[in-house]
Amino acid sequence: GQQLNQSPQSMFIQEGEDVSMNCTSSSIFNTWLWYKQDPGEGPVLLIALYKAGELTSNGRLTAQFGTTRKDSFLNISASIPSDVGIYFCAGQRFGGSQGNLIFGKGTKLSVKP
Amino acid sequence: GAVVSQHPSRVICKSGTSVKIECRSLDFQATTMFWYRQFPKQSLMLMATSNEGSKATYEQGVEKDKFLINHASLTLSTLTVTSAHPEDSSFYICSAAPLAGADTQYFGPGTRLTVL
Repeated sequence: GQQLNQSPQSMFIQEGEDVSMNCTSSSIFNTWLWYKQDPGEGPVLLIALYKAGELTSNGRLTAQFGTTRKDSFLNISASIPSDVGIYFCAGQRFGGSQGNLIFGKGTKLSVKP
Repeated sequence: GAVVSQHPSRVICKSGTSVKIECRSLDFQATTMFWYRQFPKQSLMLMATSNEGSKATYEQGVEKDKFLINHASLTLSTLTVTSAHPEDSSFYICSAAPLAGADTQYFGPGTRLTVL
């Protein structure tokens, strides 16, 4: 199935550093979502973006819906050890609860205390 | 709110047997549930879209006779892996979309299937 281009694939950072990851697509999406997945668990929604250009924050997390509707980024400020995990972007092409999600390949984040 | 559960969390079965995985929305009703499969160090791949009271819609390459989906109520969808083979071993995750008005899907904790 189709996937989004998510980068970087992995990151090794020091506690306290800021993190940035992004997703791009050749197609337009109506919704961009960012999830975090811990080992052996399902994805947990971090931020949902519904409008082009939208910038949304959730604590130390900030995400933006690109103006072309083909990309999105997620920033994590002042990283802490519990930020470790795999972060996935997901795009939803069709509006409403009926649209299936297309996922990026994930960014694995490791944080050194 | 918006909690989705899956049962069992882990299952080990012999090759050739069938395994049923349940997905429940605990505090909301969902007309649509989605089933994903995730191989180690891979992303989530949609297998099928399950609609309450009607047949599931399967993604290309997913065998509908092998992965049986039933969505009998607004809070329960089941995935049955029939005649399981070792290559079916994977992490199966469901998500549920609340009734009209919500654009967000909530994911279950996943089911780890190991076929011996």
